[in-house]
Amino acid sequence: SAVISQKPSRDICQRGTSLTIQCQVDSQVTMMFWYRQQPGQSLTLIATANQGSEATYESGFVIDKFPISRPNLTFSTLTVSNMSPEDSSIYLCTDEGTSNGYTFGSGTRLTVV
Amino acid sequence: GNSVTQMEGPVTLSEEAFLTINCTYTATGYPSLFWYVQYPGEGLQLLLKATKADDKGSNKGFEATYRKETTSFHLEKGSVQVSDSAVYFCALSFNTDKLIFGTGTRLQVFP
Repeated sequence: SAVISQKPSRDICQRGTSLTIQCQVDSQVTMMFWYRQQPGQSLTLIATANQGSEATYESGFVIDKFPISRPNLTFSTLTVSNMSPEDSSIYLCTDEGTSNGYTFGSGTRLTVV
Repeated sequence: GNSVTQMEGPVTLSEEAFLTINCTYTATGYPSLFWYVQYPGEGLQLLLKATKADDKGSNKGFEATYRKETTSFHLEKGSVQVSDSAVYFCALSFNTDKLIFGTGTRLQVFP
């Protein structure tokens, strides 16, 4: 199964600033998914990122707040823009599923102060 | 739409007790079903999966059987250990599309 390197692993950011999270996959994948896990909650899908096209956002998430890049088949970034304390969460990326399931990055624990 | 429902936690057990965490799903069609585990301070790990009806997924002493008749995928373990304390997520997907997660169930095992 794939290995996904995600960074940063954690960060503490000032409100109003932006943070870009990176995910690097060790193999080519068509789709990547970005999730948010708010404290004590389950995982909510933010968007699906396909290489060569705009990301598809779930209800409640917009491109201006969470811009995503997918420049090639092994890399994607998620930016959390104009942050507020409500954005404090764990952000995770994952690849498209295979017969071995889905591989997750280790997550980015974001605290906005 | 497609969704996953899990029993609410926390589930509190003594070591060596029998564990069941209930999971049911609503889906149009026949999804693949998964259990993921999140240990304290860590990311998500795939625990087990099943891709078709009557399949049984198993790993580390945990088992779950894909029951189409009852649209369920309950997680079981015969004898839990303190090290099994974690949050367990049931999830479904179609083909290689996005995962849809349940709310998660926290398991606490005491010696």
